[in-house]
Amino acid sequence: AQTVTQSQPEMSVQEAETVTLSCTYDTSESDYYLFWYKQPPSRQMILVIRQEAYKQQNATENRFSVNFQKAAKSFSLKISDSQLGDAAMYFCAYRSAKAPRDDKIIFGKGTRLHILP
Amino acid sequence: ETGVTQTPRHLVMGMTNKKSLKCEQHLGHNAMYWYKQSAKKPLELMFVYNFKEQTENNSVPSRFSPECPNSSHLFLHLHTLQPEDSALYLCASSQRRVGGAQYFGPGTRLLVL
Repeated sequence: AQTVTQSQPEMSVQEAETVTLSCTYDTSESDYYLFWYKQPPSRQMILVIRQEAYKQQNATENRFSVNFQKAAKSFSLKISDSQLGDAAMYFCAYRSAKAPRDDKIIFGKGTRLHILP
Repeated sequence: ETGVTQTPRHLVMGMTNKKSLKCEQHLGHNAMYWYKQSAKKPLELMFVYNFKEQTENNSVPSRFSPECPNSSHLFLHLHTLQPEDSALYLCASSQRRVGGAQYFGPGTRLLVL
């Protein structure tokens, strides 16, 4: 069974600085998808970024980028120029690339990110 | 309304009450999900519906009863709940395709007294 591990329950970063959130996963599959979700205090879970395992290029979305290391099964999220609005719980998630019927997305326990003004 | 909406946003109920949570997605998706989010626990997938058909029931107690009348609406009927059922209940939807991301509603904060 696949697992997703986020080893940092909480992190803090100074506003305008860069922070990296760690995520590792375990799978025997070669094709899959990885996601980072953000859940601000208002509780709406928002998709931040998506990575396809067969693509070597790291996904980026504005100030958010990932460092995808397939061999190491590592998928970290880098937030550049941190802003107060980035304060949230961040979840790393894994989804198999099997047929769509296998709909499970497996989530890590999350990392709470604090932004210090 | 856009995205995924959930009502009510907050709910307090006694253990003998019957209530329902409602979810509606405005994204044209064909798969919908119920998750339970408790403090300091990973998100727990409860139910999955594809094209209105339930394809996953993750060993959820029968006091939780889902209903999916169409691909845009999802309900979670609650009865004789326990205090440990207090949690945030999240609804999500996705397009039923390989690698599709799920899009979440704001959740219903449930307190069982």
